[in-house]
Amino acid sequence: GDSVTQMEGPVTLSEEAFLTINCTYTATGYPSLFWYVQYPGEGLQLLLKATKADDKGSNKGFEATYRKETTSFHLEKGSVQVSDSAVYFCALSDPYGGSQGNLIFGKGTKLSVKP
Amino acid sequence: AAGVIQSPRHLIKEKRETATLKCYPIPRHDTVYWYQQGPGQDPQFLISFYEKMQSDKGSIPDRFSAQQFSDYHSELNMSSLELGDSALYFCASSPTKLSGYEQYFGPGTRLTVT
Repeated sequence: GDSVTQMEGPVTLSEEAFLTINCTYTATGYPSLFWYVQYPGEGLQLLLKATKADDKGSNKGFEATYRKETTSFHLEKGSVQVSDSAVYFCALSDPYGGSQGNLIFGKGTKLSVKP
Repeated sequence: AAGVIQSPRHLIKEKRETATLKCYPIPRHDTVYWYQQGPGQDPQFLISFYEKMQSDKGSIPDRFSAQQFSDYHSELNMSSLELGDSALYFCASSPTKLSGYEQYFGPGTRLTVT
């Protein structure tokens, strides 16, 4: 079935460092890909999305490109801030494949940014 | 902008009791999803509704049931609660079931079973 694999955390960076969180997926259909962020004690917020191959999603300085050839959707940010400290989830939705319409999440990567 | 509303935000129950969680989707969203997130875990899909009909079912125990009402709000009913049911329960809504449309999550209900 469909699945998402993302790099294990926690990840600890200094402020203004470059961030990469790797995400790869397995899907039977044509999935849409998402990154969600969860701040402590809060719900999940959509960070960015891509719906087809070579699409680039971007928001708040974060970017991710849908790479079908490598089945990847890595999250990047050029300069992280303390306020970016959170748990980041990669997810897919594959309505015509294995996940139907619901989201399948990776295990999450906890990011801590130190001043 | 209106967001997904969940109530209650926190709930404490004893083993074998029942619990009802409520979700009010964003207006004009026709699809509602329920997820369960255990401590330090990723959210797991439970069940979804499209236009008030059950759409898809995930890893939802038989002790749980859910429905969507005429005003589109949804309720998750949980009976014979077990310690392992302690988790964050999220409701999400989407403007459509179609591919590519993101789901908007509520703040969650934290259920503690003692």
